[in-house]
Amino acid sequence: GQQVMQIPQYQHVQEGEDFTTYCNSSTTLSNIQWYKQRPGGHPVFLIQLVKSGEVKKQKRLTFQFGEAKKNSSLHITATQTTDVGTYFCAGDNQGGKLIFGQGTELSVKP
Amino acid sequence: DADVTQTPRNRITKTGKRIMLECSQTKGHDRMYWYRQDPGLGLQLIYYSFDVKDINKGEISDGYSVSRQAQAKFSLSLESAIPNQTALYFCATSDASLGTDTQYFGPGTRLTVL
Repeated sequence: GQQVMQIPQYQHVQEGEDFTTYCNSSTTLSNIQWYKQRPGGHPVFLIQLVKSGEVKKQKRLTFQFGEAKKNSSLHITATQTTDVGTYFCAGDNQGGKLIFGQGTELSVKP
Repeated sequence: DADVTQTPRNRITKTGKRIMLECSQTKGHDRMYWYRQDPGLGLQLIYYSFDVKDINKGEISDGYSVSRQAQAKFSLSLESAIPNQTALYFCATSDASLGTDTQYFGPGTRLTVL
């Protein structure tokens, strides 16, 4: 079946350093979504990418969707302690349900 | 999201017991989902429902059953709980009319099976 792989599983950074998480799907996706889960919380929708090669920015966060619509990345510039949490990508193949990656847990040392 | 509620928030039970987790939503969404989360495994889909008369198995449905009592309510049952069902369970909703499956999660239920 369809799989979505996400790396790394954990990332520890010093505050101010950059952070990137990568997502790869075994099949072409109609769109990809990103979610953030704060410690002790629930996943919260961040953004959706639909077009091949699409790049979207939210303040210090940059999201990219690959040309083949099979991979995506989330880059955070100059991390802050408020960025702590687990970031999930989720692929949508128009089957009516999302396939979530395993998530990348980000910790930020002040 | 306060529009999606789950009860109970925490539950400790014993092996072999039947347990039901409940989810309610006031968002008016037609689609509802149940996921379990285990460390390092992300979110795994257990069951999903696109409307009241529609129930579908997800990736890991064995040992679970669901009931969609109304558009706003979707419950998950463990008929005979076992320790490896200890996990964090999330309910989620989405609105098909928006043309996307963006999901809105409840606060989660932490289940421990002894």
